[in-house]
Amino acid sequence: EPEVTQTPSHQVTQMGQEVILRCVPISNHLYFYWYRQILGQKVEFLVSFYNNEISEKSEIFDDQFSVERPDGSNFTLKIRSTKLEDSAMYFCASTRTSNTGELFFGEGSRLTVL
Amino acid sequence: AQSVTQLGSHVSVSEGALVLLRCNYSSSVPPYLFWYVQYPNQGLQLLLKYTTGATLVKGINGFEAEFKKSETSFHLTKPSAHMSDAAEYFCAVSYTGGFKTIFGAGTRLFVKA
Repeated sequence: EPEVTQTPSHQVTQMGQEVILRCVPISNHLYFYWYRQILGQKVEFLVSFYNNEISEKSEIFDDQFSVERPDGSNFTLKIRSTKLEDSAMYFCASTRTSNTGELFFGEGSRLTVL
Repeated sequence: AQSVTQLGSHVSVSEGALVLLRCNYSSSVPPYLFWYVQYPNQGLQLLLKYTTGATLVKGINGFEAEFKKSETSFHLTKPSAHMSDAAEYFCAVSYTGGFKTIFGAGTRLFVKA
């Protein structure tokens, strides 16, 4: 069964460093998302991406964050100059149809900023 | 703006007992409603969804939910809890023309033997 894959599963970084989280969405999906879950808290929407551009972003997704689909398969989230409060589980999701369809989530990338 | 409120961050039931997880939504347009489950160290997976049509929807693992527009609710139920149901459950809302799904804070379900 096709699935969304994310790498790395866990990354530890020093405050101020840049981090790139990678995702391979399901191959025939058209809409891509990043969500964040701080330990013990809610799943928060960061950004949605369709047709090679951002469709919508939350107030969390400021200039520190960027997304890219550099080729036909990968979807990346870059966090510049990480802060302690960026420590969280980051989930990538994809879907074939916008919002009426099921979101397929990866298993997440845990980011720890020291 | 859309939002979701899940009543109760923790719910504990005995094995075989009824499971009821509450969800209320706020939406200025007709919503699409979802329940997702998250097992430890895993991503979220869809339990069930309501888009249009029948207001009682059935999902995987014996769960079902009923969309009640008058109460702006979408509560999740299961007649008989199983130990394997222990997990975190998230209610979520989206809407046509939107590009995001908004999640509630989650309810952790504990099942006692």
